[in-house]
Amino acid sequence: DTAVSQTPKYLVTQMGNDKSIKCEQNLGHDTMYWYKQDSKKFLKIMFSYNNKELIINETVPNRFSPKSPDKAHLNLHINSLELGDSAVYFCASSRAGTGTHEQFFGPGTRLTVL
Amino acid sequence: DQQVKQNSPSLSVQEGRISILNCDYTNSMFDYFLWYKKYPAEGPTFLISISSIKDKNEDGRFTVFLNKSAKHLSLHIVPSQPGDSAVYFCAATRLNYDMRFGAGTRLTVKP
Repeated sequence: DTAVSQTPKYLVTQMGNDKSIKCEQNLGHDTMYWYKQDSKKFLKIMFSYNNKELIINETVPNRFSPKSPDKAHLNLHINSLELGDSAVYFCASSRAGTGTHEQFFGPGTRLTVL
Repeated sequence: DQQVKQNSPSLSVQEGRISILNCDYTNSMFDYFLWYKKYPAEGPTFLISISSIKDKNEDGRFTVFLNKSAKHLSLHIVPSQPGDSAVYFCAATRLNYDMRFGAGTRLTVKP
């Protein structure tokens, strides 16, 4: 069983389109995250959700919006896609109070905007 | 604003020898430091971590050292194995919600 899953794994779309990436975790974690890995391979946090409340919202364009229907899911909606949005997007989850502060990552979604 | 830096993009070592990966940080508010390992087309997987109140943590072949005064940490892998070949990310966190990653170091272990 996959702990953190993302769909789709690959997403190719045209500029200006609206798309969504889904994320689900079956670990019973209470916090979920979205990260963007750009062409320079930096992993940068975009959003963090704890108990359905946004904790961190980095300087991310408001075209990006996280949606959490329940504790096990955190979907990423992107409106009016731009060329610079091309990247690999990783979902992750964690549980508060763990000794290691470990986050579990999904396999990533490679988004290509043409 | 790169608060976590890995200045070596790549490292190559011989099987059986020690691999030392380095990481520097600028934010003294970080309270936990982690190392992640990443294979191509997969998400990062947790390797080892250390609290800011400690200076060493060991788990099998992996040891992480923290030098708070220098704002520096390192990951030692002894002995290195070909299966250790991957990209290693250093990460630092504050309050467990705000994790910052370095750019990664690609380790190649040659048989």
